[in-house]
Amino acid sequence: QQQVKQSPQSLIVQKGGISIINCAYENTAFDYFPWYQQFPGKGPALLIAIRPDVSEKKEGRFTISFNKSAKQFSLHIMDSQPGDSATYFCAAANTGNQFYFGTGTSLTVIP
Amino acid sequence: AAGVIQSPRHLIKEKRETATLKCYPIPRHDTVYWYQQGPGQDPQFLISFYEKMQSDKGSIPDRFSAQQFSDYHSELNMSSLELGDSALYFCASSSGSRTEAFFGQGTRLTVV
Repeated sequence: QQQVKQSPQSLIVQKGGISIINCAYENTAFDYFPWYQQFPGKGPALLIAIRPDVSEKKEGRFTISFNKSAKQFSLHIMDSQPGDSATYFCAAANTGNQFYFGTGTSLTVIP
Repeated sequence: AAGVIQSPRHLIKEKRETATLKCYPIPRHDTVYWYQQGPGQDPQFLISFYEKMQSDKGSIPDRFSAQQFSDYHSELNMSSLELGDSALYFCASSSGSRTEAFFGQGTRLTVV
């Protein structure tokens, strides 16, 4: 059973556009929600993360929006660049325990 | 900054052979996670260790075992390898007092 549902499966965005990836979860015990960026053949790299006590976190062009009541969170990539083309995974964890990953979103940014 | 080191980076084994994957966590990290990622798949949790004790267990086959040593490095032992074990195996580490987990570059295991 997929603990974290992620959509869309793939996304194509023009350079300079906004990329939005959505995730939803059911387990209210989750208290840590990271996003990972993965390039082919490489390990997932931690991009940005949020905890349920805040509704938004911004780091550079990357923003996480978190809706605790809806049990949803999303990643927004502003001013998307071709170098952002990668697979993005959302994840959820209960502090100290395993990370549950979403199914991934393949992002392609067209120049 | 030091990252998670995994070795070997690539490994080719024949069916029914054994393989040992090694993971060296970031210094002062006491938690290690192992994940398996098939082509086009999300990482699947196998097992984790905190302070050298198994802390959580996922979909790890009985043919696999793992442990964390006194220096906090971890080894994943895989026996009676099957073609379906071909995948990328990632190790991640975190500190017990924080939750941020950082992944290594992975070991690509190919079973032929």
